[in-house]
Amino acid sequence: ETGVTQTPRHLVMGMTNKKSLKCEQHLGHNAMYWYKQSAKKPLELMFVYNFKEQTENNSVPSRFSPECPNSSHLFLHLHTLQPEDSALYLCASSPTVGGSYEQFFGPGTRLTVL
Amino acid sequence: AQSVTQPDIHITVSEGASLELRCNYSYGATPYLFWYVQSPGQGLQLLLKYFSGDTLVQGIKGFEAEFKRSQSSFNLRKPSVHWSDAAEYFCAVGASGNTGKLIFGQGTTLQVKP
Repeated sequence: ETGVTQTPRHLVMGMTNKKSLKCEQHLGHNAMYWYKQSAKKPLELMFVYNFKEQTENNSVPSRFSPECPNSSHLFLHLHTLQPEDSALYLCASSPTVGGSYEQFFGPGTRLTVL
Repeated sequence: AQSVTQPDIHITVSEGASLELRCNYSYGATPYLFWYVQSPGQGLQLLLKYFSGDTLVQGIKGFEAEFKRSQSSFNLRKPSVHWSDAAEYFCAVGASGNTGKLIFGQGTTLQVKP
């Protein structure tokens, strides 16, 4: 595997389910990000991790719970979601945090909440 | 606060025609600027970036962009569009400090007519 991978690619869940999204980067980076991409809206940064420590939580509801066990893996735990949470969830990584660093994106997980 | 505006939500060009996608940013210092492309069902891929130096930046797939400080613009160009260029294009500015934020525009959807 190369680059940034995300699993699953598609996920359908009910509002009472608990599921997790997984992201893995094979680039030796130290920073990882979760973004939400909804139709007709700019990408919304959700969380930033640098060297496994959370450095940014962009006022994300607590029904989204991130976990970063090491610099290569990032999870997004989902519970009690709402239909408006349906979106494409993108993971990205960069060498470290900083506005000058290119972020490398995974293909995303298309989430549908029923 | 930093912001990015892509004035054109949707653009249609004929194959072989030239292309220019507009991007305007608001930023107090020298910005870090990026153009990303997103094909359907895929994550974002970096086309090119500007940090400093030569204001005309060459990227992948035959794209280039020109940084114009006086106009706060970073427009993306391609002299001859191919059908495979149909995608969504995002302009982004790197936030100041070490927050790692990329501020994205709303995106421009490019349709290519045969």
